Amino acid sequence: DTGVSQNPRHKITKRGQNVTFRCDPISEHNRLYWYRQTLGQGPEFLTYFQNEAQLEKSRLLSDRFSAERPKGSFSTLEIQRTEQGDSAMYLCASSLAARGGTDTQYFGPGTRLTVL
Amino acid sequence: AQSVTQLGSHVSVSEGALVLLRCNYSSSVPPYLFWYVQYPNQGLQLLLKYTTGATLVKGINGFEAEFKKSETSFHLTKPSAHMSDAAEYFCAVSAGGNQFYFGTGTSLTVIP
Repeated sequence: DTGVSQNPRHKITKRGQNVTFRCDPISEHNRLYWYRQTLGQGPEFLTYFQNEAQLEKSRLLSDRFSAERPKGSFSTLEIQRTEQGDSAMYLCASSLAARGGTDTQYFGPGTRLTVL
Repeated sequence: AQSVTQLGSHVSVSEGALVLLRCNYSSSVPPYLFWYVQYPNQGLQLLLKYTTGATLVKGINGFEAEFKKSETSFHLTKPSAHMSDAAEYFCAVSAGGNQFYFGTGTSLTVIP
């Protein structure tokens, strides 16, 4: 078990550019989540996949954001035409679907995005 | 709807003193509750969780939390603070779905 990994760890970009982040979940986990965390705040849910299906999207996920998990393993989060307000830490988490109850989510180290 | 309130965005304790970080939740259904710790520039690490059963939950690094339904609380405690405990702590609630709702966090400073 190598844990959840995210790449890159840091990304600096200019306003208007597109960026893509990658998340590799814990290998046996079938659920994958993306969160955004701004300074002084807790993580805010963006979207969630079960296997390759994107099952839930937050209203925070504007049209400029898209996430994929094509083979039910790794996931990518793309932000098009970045804005300064997109500057944040983007966190990925994964879990194994629990029978009843709730999953326990395990988080990666995050990708810190800075939009200049 | 679910939400979490963490009272005190900053808490300072002396090394060896009791750590108490407060979390109150709001949930329309029986909640599942979690505490995570975040070190600078890192992701969140699970400290402990309450799902069902015993209301006093023990976690890693000597932390524990008690679920009190009557008070809608899930406060995190540690009997003796260590310098390595300095970090940001987040309480989260889930209603059994897949969305976690996090509080705004409490920054713990340990004074030598």
